Amino acid sequence: EADIYQTPRYLVIGTGKKITLECSQTMGHDKMYWYQQDPGMELHLIHYSYGVNSTEKGDLSSESTVSRIRTEHFPLTLESARPSHTSQYLCASRDSGPGFYNEQFFGPGTRLTVL
Amino acid sequence: GESVGLHLPTLSVQEGDNSIINCAYSNSASDYFIWYKQESGKGPQFIIDIRSNMDKRQGQRVTVLLNKTVKHLSLQIAATQPGDSAVYFCAENIPKYGNKLVFGAGTILRVKS
Repeated sequence: EADIYQTPRYLVIGTGKKITLECSQTMGHDKMYWYQQDPGMELHLIHYSYGVNSTEKGDLSSESTVSRIRTEHFPLTLESARPSHTSQYLCASRDSGPGFYNEQFFGPGTRLTVL
Repeated sequence: GESVGLHLPTLSVQEGDNSIINCAYSNSASDYFIWYKQESGKGPQFIIDIRSNMDKRQGQRVTVLLNKTVKHLSLQIAATQPGDSAVYFCAENIPKYGNKLVFGAGTILRVKS
């Protein structure tokens, strides 16, 4: 089982609130990712990081922001939540060691509902 | 919220039958491929992988076939069980994109008892 954790698992919040979704991994992986996924739909990469102080926007535009101050921690923040942000958010990590055929591990996800 | 993207195709199979899930990948430079299984309410989990210098790899009850000529990947599940019901995603590793994994759209597998 992968050592990658997301909190909270479920969050229901009102419009306009600021929220932070937490993601932590204890595997020492350099690469971390955030995906957005609606029920029964495909995965969309919204942010990624190749290491401390590295953050990049993904393939799908998102109003969220991320930070990577520590290797193990990659939080995602929404400054002002809206109903359109309702979705499942999946965090993942991957080693970038010499054998780059490395498995990407996923967290359990945070299901966000904005009322 | 507003859904973005495609609704996933569904494959329905009878318990005990073999399942074949297909995936077309996009980049001829992809050098590594992974199949993931995602059960309802959970994150995707690794099933099996294959490098581009192989055309077949077998695991426990699963086989992945790679056809680089037509950029096609398939996952075969033998003797499908109700616990196999999930969404299955293929992913390709593209070196020129910093070894970032690019995920396919996914297929919903429903196993009928």
